[in-house]
Amino acid sequence: DIQMTQSPSTLSASVGDRVTITCRASQSISTFLAWYQLKPGKAPKLLIYQASNLETGVPSRFSGSGSGTDFTLTISSLQPDDFASYYCQQYKSYSYKFGQGTKLEIK
Amino acid sequence: EVHLVQSGGVVVHPGGSLRLSCEASGITFEDSALHWVRQAPGKGLEWVSLITWDGGRAFYADSVQGRFTISRDNRKDSLYLQMNNLRPEDSALYYCAKPPQSSSWPLEYWGQGTLVTVSP
Repeated sequence: DIQMTQSPSTLSASVGDRVTITCRASQSISTFLAWYQLKPGKAPKLLIYQASNLETGVPSRFSGSGSGTDFTLTISSLQPDDFASYYCQQYKSYSYKFGQGTKLEIK
Repeated sequence: EVHLVQSGGVVVHPGGSLRLSCEASGITFEDSALHWVRQAPGKGLEWVSLITWDGGRAFYADSVQGRFTISRDNRKDSLYLQMNNLRPEDSALYYCAKPPQSSSWPLEYWGQGTLVTVSP
């Protein structure tokens, strides 16, 4: 199975900061990678698919990049609504693992 | 507007059984695969199961293989997860999720979640 390693597990930042979350696959997944945002009490939200495609309705301050084994999610200028947890997921092959998650906290 | 409405939370004893449901509205239900994903308390997301658009094939995480069964009824726009021989480690918030039209991935639409608690 392909394992996904996401870092950092926790990230403290301020409104207006630029932040980057990384995700590494244990073997190549081409660009079969998605990023999701989770907030308590709300359904998960798809942000990025196919590594770099922005889901409709997601603000342009979110961007994704990478291919093969190394990927990043970047938020160019943090807004108050962005403080949440973020997960990468590979969908190249079974068992469709998620990364461990990154909790983005207010500094 | 798209809605995936899930059944309510429940408490069940270890070894017990439970069926979760997820009903779609505002979207063509039968045009894609469907998934279940869970999040245990204080833990990350875990993909649980996938069923193809026609119900012909199903896939499961190792942790639930042989105990859980995914099914769908496209006439009722509904997805189900039959959970048998439940264990305390199955306690989690279970989400149903739907990819875009004619796709198996990514997970574009999500239900609100059903809290399953497995406790003596």
